[in-house]
Amino acid sequence: DAGVIQSPRHEVTEMGQEVTLRCKPISGHNSLFWYRQTMMRGLELLIYFNNNVPIDDSGMPEDRFSAKMPNASFSTLKIQPSEPRDSAVYFCASSLAGTSGSSNEQFFGPGTRLTVL
Amino acid sequence: TQLLEQSPQFLSIQEGENLTVYCNSSSVFSSLQWYRQEPGEGPVLLVTVVTGGEVKKLKRLTFQFGDARKDSSLHITAAQPGDTGLYLCAAIHYNQGGKLIFGQGTELSVKP
Repeated sequence: DAGVIQSPRHEVTEMGQEVTLRCKPISGHNSLFWYRQTMMRGLELLIYFNNNVPIDDSGMPEDRFSAKMPNASFSTLKIQPSEPRDSAVYFCASSLAGTSGSSNEQFFGPGTRLTVL
Repeated sequence: TQLLEQSPQFLSIQEGENLTVYCNSSSVFSSLQWYRQEPGEGPVLLVTVVTGGEVKKLKRLTFQFGDARKDSSLHITAAQPGDTGLYLCAAIHYNQGGKLIFGQGTELSVKP
Protein backbone atom coordinates (compact mmCIF):
# COMPACT_ATOMS: atom_id res chain seq x y z
CA ASP A 1 0.00 0.00 0.00
CA ALA A 2 1.28 3.46 -0.87
CA GLY A 3 1.81 5.70 2.09
CA VAL A 4 2.03 9.46 2.05
CA ILE A 5 4.11 10.55 -0.93
CA GLN A 6 6.21 13.68 -0.86
CA SER A 7 8.31 15.29 -3.55
CA PRO A 8 11.00 16.25 -3.97
CA ARG A 9 12.91 14.34 -1.28
CA HIS A 10 15.71 16.88 -1.35
CA GLU A 11 15.73 20.46 -2.53
CA VAL A 12 18.67 22.84 -2.63
CA THR A 13 17.94 26.38 -3.71
CA GLU A 14 19.30 29.87 -3.42
CA MET A 15 17.92 32.59 -1.24
CA GLY A 16 15.09 34.46 -2.93
CA GLN A 17 13.96 31.57 -5.08
CA GLU A 18 10.46 30.10 -4.95
CA VAL A 19 10.17 26.59 -3.54
CA THR A 20 7.18 24.29 -3.94
CA LEU A 21 6.81 21.12 -1.91
CA ARG A 22 4.26 18.51 -2.90
CA CYS A 23 2.26 15.93 -1.01
CA LYS A 24 -0.10 13.13 -1.94
CA PRO A 25 -1.98 11.87 1.14
CA ILE A 26 -3.17 8.34 1.68
CA SER A 27 -6.30 7.67 -0.35
CA GLY A 28 -9.44 8.03 1.76
CA HIS A 29 -7.85 10.20 4.42
CA ASN A 30 -9.67 13.48 5.04
CA SER A 31 -7.09 15.44 7.04
CA LEU A 32 -3.72 16.65 5.85
CA PHE A 33 -0.98 18.26 7.91
CA TRP A 34 2.22 20.14 7.02
CA TYR A 35 5.03 20.10 9.60
CA ARG A 36 8.53 21.53 9.76
CA GLN A 37 11.32 19.86 11.74
CA THR A 38 14.56 21.48 12.85
CA MET A 39 17.08 20.64 15.53
CA MET A 40 16.33 23.85 17.38
CA ARG A 41 12.54 23.85 17.30
CA GLY A 42 11.65 20.20 16.85
CA LEU A 43 8.52 19.23 14.92
CA GLU A 44 6.16 22.16 14.38
CA LEU A 45 2.71 22.09 12.83
CA LEU A 46 2.46 24.69 10.08
CA ILE A 47 -1.07 24.18 8.78
CA TYR A 48 -3.70 21.51 8.53
CA PHE A 49 -6.65 20.84 6.24
CA ASN A 50 -9.84 18.96 6.85
CA ASN A 51 -11.79 17.91 3.75
CA ASN A 52 -9.51 20.17 1.67
CA VAL A 53 -10.35 23.24 3.75
CA PRO A 54 -7.60 24.98 5.78
CA ILE A 55 -8.61 24.74 9.44
CA ASP A 56 -5.63 26.14 11.33
CA ASP A 57 -2.74 28.03 9.75
CA SER A 58 -1.52 29.65 12.95
CA GLY A 59 1.79 27.82 12.63
CA MET A 60 2.68 29.31 9.25
CA PRO A 61 5.75 31.46 9.98
CA GLU A 62 4.91 34.43 7.80
CA ASP A 63 3.36 35.56 4.53
CA ARG A 64 6.16 33.99 2.54
CA PHE A 65 4.58 30.62 3.29
CA SER A 66 1.37 29.46 1.64
CA ALA A 67 -0.36 26.11 1.33
CA LYS A 68 -3.12 24.83 -0.90
CA MET A 69 -5.16 21.68 -1.19
CA PRO A 70 -7.05 21.84 -4.50
CA ASN A 71 -8.42 18.30 -4.13
CA ALA A 72 -8.39 15.36 -1.75
CA SER A 73 -5.31 13.80 -3.29
CA PHE A 74 -2.88 16.70 -3.57
CA SER A 75 -1.44 19.53 -1.51
CA THR A 76 1.39 22.02 -1.95
CA LEU A 77 3.44 24.12 0.42
CA LYS A 78 5.07 27.10 -1.23
CA ILE A 79 7.77 29.40 0.08
CA GLN A 80 8.32 32.62 -1.83
CA PRO A 81 10.87 34.08 -1.48
CA SER A 82 12.90 31.47 0.37
CA GLU A 83 15.46 32.39 3.05
CA PRO A 84 18.32 30.41 4.63
CA ARG A 85 16.38 30.16 7.92
CA ASP A 86 13.72 28.14 6.06
CA SER A 87 16.18 25.25 5.79
CA ALA A 88 14.55 22.27 7.49
CA VAL A 89 12.84 18.97 6.84
CA TYR A 90 9.22 19.45 5.85
CA PHE A 91 6.80 16.62 6.53
CA CYS A 92 3.34 16.01 5.22
CA ALA A 93 1.01 13.72 7.17
CA SER A 94 -2.52 12.52 6.64
CA SER A 95 -5.17 10.93 8.80
CA LEU A 96 -8.77 9.83 8.82
CA ALA A 97 -10.24 12.27 11.30
CA GLY A 98 -13.22 11.23 13.37
CA THR A 99 -15.17 13.35 15.78
CA SER A 100 -13.55 16.17 17.66
CA GLY A 101 -11.29 14.93 20.44
CA SER A 102 -10.82 11.44 19.02
CA SER A 103 -7.35 9.92 18.79
CA ASN A 104 -6.43 9.64 15.14
CA GLU A 105 -3.18 8.18 13.89
CA GLN A 106 -1.25 10.46 11.59
CA PHE A 107 0.73 8.82 8.81
CA PHE A 108 3.82 10.77 7.86
CA GLY A 109 5.56 10.96 4.53
CA PRO A 110 9.35 10.61 4.23
CA GLY A 111 9.84 14.37 4.26
CA THR A 112 11.51 16.93 2.00
CA ARG A 113 14.90 18.14 3.13
CA LEU A 114 15.14 21.78 2.09
CA THR A 115 18.41 23.68 2.02
CA VAL A 116 18.34 27.37 1.20
CA LEU A 117 21.80 28.77 0.48
CA THR B 1 8.14 27.50 26.24
CA GLN B 2 7.31 23.96 25.16
CA LEU B 3 3.79 22.77 25.88
CA LEU B 4 5.16 19.25 26.13
CA GLU B 5 8.48 18.77 27.89
CA GLN B 6 10.38 15.59 27.16
CA SER B 7 13.30 14.32 29.19
CA PRO B 8 15.99 13.42 28.74
CA GLN B 9 16.75 15.03 25.39
CA PHE B 10 19.59 12.62 24.67
CA LEU B 11 20.23 9.13 26.00
CA SER B 12 23.10 6.83 25.12
CA ILE B 13 23.05 3.37 26.70
CA GLN B 14 24.44 -0.11 26.25
CA GLU B 15 22.46 -2.99 24.82
CA GLY B 16 20.51 -4.77 27.56
CA GLU B 17 19.97 -1.75 29.78
CA ASN B 18 16.57 -0.40 30.79
CA LEU B 19 15.48 3.20 30.26
CA THR B 20 12.56 5.54 30.83
CA VAL B 21 11.59 8.61 28.83
CA TYR B 22 9.23 11.19 30.27
CA CYS B 23 6.72 13.56 28.70
CA ASN B 24 5.28 16.24 30.97
CA SER B 25 2.88 19.16 30.69
CA SER B 26 0.81 21.47 32.84
CA SER B 27 -2.13 20.98 30.48
CA VAL B 28 -4.71 18.21 30.42
CA PHE B 29 -5.04 16.28 27.20
CA SER B 30 -7.76 14.11 25.76
CA SER B 31 -5.14 11.62 24.62
CA LEU B 32 -1.43 11.26 24.10
CA GLN B 33 0.59 9.48 21.46
CA TRP B 34 4.15 8.20 21.22
CA TYR B 35 5.95 8.16 17.88
CA ARG B 36 9.34 6.82 16.85
CA GLN B 37 11.35 8.40 14.06
CA GLU B 38 14.34 6.85 12.33
CA PRO B 39 16.88 8.92 10.37
CA GLY B 40 15.60 10.00 6.95
CA GLU B 41 12.05 8.96 7.68
CA GLY B 42 8.88 10.41 9.13
CA PRO B 43 7.60 9.58 12.62
CA VAL B 44 5.64 6.34 13.02
CA LEU B 45 2.96 5.91 15.66
CA LEU B 46 3.76 3.44 18.43
CA VAL B 47 0.78 3.83 20.75
CA THR B 48 -2.12 6.07 21.78
CA VAL B 49 -3.17 6.32 25.43
CA VAL B 50 -6.54 7.78 26.28
CA THR B 51 -7.56 6.93 29.83
CA GLY B 52 -5.85 8.41 32.89
CA GLY B 53 -3.67 5.74 34.50
CA GLU B 54 -3.72 3.59 31.39
CA VAL B 55 -0.78 1.27 30.78
CA LYS B 56 -0.07 -0.25 27.37
CA LYS B 57 2.63 -2.72 26.44
CA LEU B 58 4.22 -3.23 23.06
CA LYS B 59 6.73 -6.08 23.38
CA ARG B 60 9.58 -4.56 25.46
CA LEU B 61 8.00 -1.10 25.50
CA THR B 62 5.64 -0.02 28.29
CA PHE B 63 3.65 3.20 27.99
CA GLN B 64 1.82 4.88 30.85
CA PHE B 65 -0.58 7.83 30.88
CA GLY B 66 -0.67 9.80 34.12
CA ASP B 67 -3.78 9.71 36.27
CA ALA B 68 -4.42 13.40 35.62
CA ARG B 69 -3.71 13.02 31.88
CA LYS B 70 -0.95 15.61 32.00
CA ASP B 71 2.06 13.35 31.63
CA SER B 72 3.25 10.08 30.20
CA SER B 73 6.24 7.77 30.29
CA LEU B 74 7.83 5.25 27.97
CA HIS B 75 9.88 2.46 29.51
CA ILE B 76 12.05 0.15 27.42
CA THR B 77 13.27 -3.09 28.94
CA ALA B 78 16.51 -4.68 27.74
CA ALA B 79 17.15 -2.11 25.02
CA GLN B 80 18.49 -3.29 21.68
CA PRO B 81 20.37 -1.40 18.95
CA GLY B 82 17.20 -1.57 16.85
CA ASP B 83 15.51 0.69 19.42
CA THR B 84 17.79 3.55 18.38
CA GLY B 85 15.86 6.56 17.14
CA LEU B 86 14.02 9.73 18.07
CA TYR B 87 11.06 9.18 20.39
CA LEU B 88 8.38 11.85 20.27
CA CYS B 89 5.37 12.32 22.47
CA ALA B 90 2.42 14.17 21.00
CA ALA B 91 -0.78 15.32 22.61
CA ILE B 92 -4.19 16.16 21.33
CA HIS B 93 -6.00 19.05 22.91
CA TYR B 94 -9.70 18.82 23.56
CA ASN B 95 -11.80 20.00 20.63
CA GLN B 96 -8.84 20.44 18.34
CA GLY B 97 -10.00 18.03 15.67
CA GLY B 98 -6.91 15.89 15.73
CA LYS B 99 -4.32 18.67 15.89
CA LEU B 100 -1.18 17.27 17.51
CA ILE B 101 1.34 19.15 19.63
CA PHE B 102 4.74 17.43 19.66
CA GLY B 103 7.41 17.39 22.33
CA GLN B 104 11.03 18.10 21.41
CA GLY B 105 11.86 14.41 21.36
CA THR B 106 14.33 12.10 23.06
CA GLU B 107 17.25 10.94 20.92
CA LEU B 108 18.06 7.38 21.99
CA SER B 109 21.23 5.57 21.01
CA VAL B 110 21.66 1.93 22.01
CA LYS B 111 25.19 0.64 21.53
CA PRO B 112 25.91 -3.05 20.98
